Order: sequence, then C-alpha cells, then structure tokens
Amino acid sequence: GAVVSQHPSRVICKSGTSVKIECRSLDFQATTMFWYRQFPKQSLMLMATSNEGSKATYEQGVEKDKFLINHASLTLSTLTVTSAHPEDSSFYICSAIASGLRETQYFGPGTRLLVL
Amino acid sequence: KQEVTQIPAALSVPEGENLVLNCSFTDSAIYNLQWFRQDPGKGLTSLLLIQSSQREQTSGRLNASLDKSSGRSTLYIAASQPGDSATYLCAPCRGAGSYQLTFGKGTKLSVIP
Repeated sequence: GAVVSQHPSRVICKSGTSVKIECRSLDFQATTMFWYRQFPKQSLMLMATSNEGSKATYEQGVEKDKFLINHASLTLSTLTVTSAHPEDSSFYICSAIASGLRETQYFGPGTRLLVL
Repeated sequence: KQEVTQIPAALSVPEGENLVLNCSFTDSAIYNLQWFRQDPGKGLTSLLLIQSSQREQTSGRLNASLDKSSGRSTLYIAASQPGDSATYLCAPCRGAGSYQLTFGKGTKLSVIP
C-alpha cells in the first residue's frame, strides 16, 4: 500500500529557532500534499495545500511567512516553522494524494513539535 | 465553511458489543467521506471511503453509511475488540479538484476486555 513518512517524528527546540519537517511519499508519486496541525483533543486543521512545482495554498489564518512550504519533487514536501514559539507546539501531520488515485489521502505518522 | 460534529466525544464499551459512531456535517455538497482511525500520538489510518453516490461501504467488521442530503454518516463496528480502541475521525471531502478534508474532533473509543 501507499506509504507516507515524516521526519523527524519528534523535535524539541528553543523559541526563536526554525524547524524543518519532511514529508515523503515512499512508493508513489504525489502531485498534491496537505499539511495539517492538531492541538491536543482537537481536530486536524488543514494548514495548506501543496502542489508540486507551484506555490502552496494556505488556509485562512495561517501565516505563509511563518510556515514555509516547499514541494520541490513528486515525493517530497517540506514544512518549515520559522522563528518557532511555544504556541507553535503541536502535532503536524502531512498527507499525500497519489497521482491517478485522487480520492484517497495517505497520511504520514506525524511530527510532534515542542517549542520551549 | 464545512463543520463536522462527531457524537459521542467518547465511548466506553465492553468487548464484544456492537456500536455506532455518529458524524454530521453542515455542507452536503461533498465529493466523498472518509472514516479514519487515529491511535494516540500517531497518524491516521484510512478505514472506509464512501463516494457521495453511495449509501454504505463495508470492510470486515466495519460498516459506514452515508446520508448526504441530511449531512450524516455513521460508522458501525460489530463485535468490538480491545484492539479497536482508538479515536475515530470522520472527514467529508470538499470536492473533486481540491480533495480537501474537513475533520471532526473524533470519537474516542475504549473497548474494555
């Protein structure tokens, strides 16, 4: 089956630093990837839609200059949290849609970010 | 804006019981609807996908129904097992072309041995 990986699985950083999270589709090409954020006991909230080779589309209220998304290839999208602050601490999950199988999203295992 | 509500928020049942999880959504113009399972601190596992033209979908002990016009979906789990303990999420899909999902807060299920 389609597998999506995320790296790192967990990261702790100091306030003010930048953190990069990678999302990879391991055995399929993904023209579209999504980035979600999930706070404790809350639902997953879509942050942005990332299409290979083009600029990401951000949801209302998500700062594009703070959450930089790069989808440089059909198997890799990265999310960089710039100048992270404690309120950015959350669970970040990516998903990918396989080219030709546009109905099912395959989710990564998530990245737990803790900003001190 | 699509809003998804899942009831109950938490459910605890003894092993072997059949149970129903409910999901309602405000915008009935959906492309499909997916049910996911999320284990603590983990990502999501897709359980079932129902197309907007379908009424139900089955996989093993799971059966999901969809009443698009009334904005409702249910997930039926038969003969529950302790391994079914997880949070179950319902997510209608906005539409072809965007494929964006809107998630509810989920129902946390505990199956007691």
